[in-house]
Amino acid sequence: DVKVTQSSRYLVKRTGEKVFLECVQDMDHENMFWYRQDPGLGLRLIYFSYDVKMKEKGDIPEGYSVSREKKERFSLILESASTNQTSMYLCASTRADYGYTFGSGTRLTVV
Amino acid sequence: GESVGLHLPTLSVQEGDNSIINCAYSNSASDYFIWYKQESGKGPQFIIDIRSNMDKRQGQRVTVLLNKTVKHLSLQIAATQPGDSAVYFCAETSGGYQKVTFGTGTKLQVIP
Repeated sequence: DVKVTQSSRYLVKRTGEKVFLECVQDMDHENMFWYRQDPGLGLRLIYFSYDVKMKEKGDIPEGYSVSREKKERFSLILESASTNQTSMYLCASTRADYGYTFGSGTRLTVV
Repeated sequence: GESVGLHLPTLSVQEGDNSIINCAYSNSASDYFIWYKQESGKGPQFIIDIRSNMDKRQGQRVTVLLNKTVKHLSLQIAATQPGDSAVYFCAETSGGYQKVTFGTGTKLQVIP
């Protein structure tokens, strides 16, 4: 069974901390994505990557950065966490078609 | 701007009945549509998709209908079961995988 695995289900961090969210996929997919999901706003794209060491900004990249050193791993970094970054974060991957496989999500709370 | 929206935020149906979840889209250039199911505490799960050259596609207990004239998409679930309780949302794209727009979701509650 193919999988996208997010390392943490729940995280609580303090304002100003540097936060790393990790995502690993075992499907050899080229494309990986980070979304945040907020009530009433749906899924919003933060960053995506279509190859190792390649990254593209999504709709809401401010306050975030990403790293893709290996094909299977895509990391989301909050350089200095703020309370407005409290959210559910979802990682997804896909090959050339459009059907995304999502991870289970990381619910991040910044206090 | 372009948007994908859902008509009903919450839908309650009796177990065994059929469910219909609707989605309106505004981008006439959209050429691919997807329905996802998200159960509590889990990530979205692909249910069914349809391309703009089709108006109907069937899966196991699910059917997606596409009406391009009125830019409307619907998901029909036959014989709704308690395990169908989840948030359902549609997604559309006109420019490949980078430009997928997701709707905000409809919560389906199945009454036993």
